[in-house]
Amino acid sequence: EIVMTQSPATLSVSPGERATLSCRASQSVSSNLAWYQQKPGQAPRLLIYGASTRATGIPARFSGSGSGTEFTLTISSLQSEDFAVYYCQQYNNWPPALTFGGGTKVEIK
Amino acid sequence: EVQLVESGGVVVQPGGSLRLSCAASGFTFDDYTMHWVRQAPGKGLEWVSLISWDGGSTYYADSVKGRFTISRDNSKNSLYLQMNSLRTEDTALYYCAKDGAGYYYMDVWGKGTTVTVSS
Repeated sequence: EIVMTQSPATLSVSPGERATLSCRASQSVSSNLAWYQQKPGQAPRLLIYGASTRATGIPARFSGSGSGTEFTLTISSLQSEDFAVYYCQQYNNWPPALTFGGGTKVEIK
Repeated sequence: EVQLVESGGVVVQPGGSLRLSCAASGFTFDDYTMHWVRQAPGKGLEWVSLISWDGGSTYYADSVKGRFTISRDNSKNSLYLQMNSLRTEDTALYYCAKDGAGYYYMDVWGKGTTVTVSS
C-alpha cells in the first residue's frame, strides 16, 4: 500500500497570506496525485488532479506542484472561504488501491 | 447539473448487512467508473471500492475485501454497495463519487449517507 503523509496537520494562516501544504508518498506516484478541499458538513471538492491541473471552476490562487514522492498545494492569498481541511490522494498503483493522506486543516490565525 | 444522491444508510448491528444506493443524474452514467469513499466520524477519507463503466472490473480496499460488493445498473443510472458482515469500524459517512475520466481521482461527490454499526 502506498502511504500518503501530509504536513503539517494544522496550519494557522491569516487571511491574505500564502499557505503551503505538503504531501509525501511512500513510493513514487509519478504525477498521479489529486488534492481535495473539505469544509465542515460538506462533501470533498476536487481542486487539483495530475499534481498540477486545476479542476473546473477552481480559482487560480490554488496551485499544485511536484512529482514522484513530494507534492505541494499552494494557496497564494487565503480567502475566508478557503479555511477547510485539505486532502491529497494518489491514484498511481495497479491494480488500483487508492489512498488518501490524513489531511491538513487550514485555520484562521 | 451533475448530481449524485446516496441513500440506504441506517443503524445496523455488528454482523448485519446493508445495501447502499447512489442515484446519478446530469451526466452519461455508463461512460464513467464510479467509486465509494467513506469517512469515519472525525476522521479522514478512505477509498472503499470502484467499478468500471460496464461493471466488468471491480476493486476493493483490503479493509472491505470479501465483505462488500460494488455493483451498478446503467439502465437505472444507479450505483450500489452491498455491505455484509458489518463491523463497528465500518461506521462512517459513505460517499458515492464519479471518476475523473478514467484516471481514478474523484471529480464529483454526493453528500453521503451515514452507516452506523452498533449493538
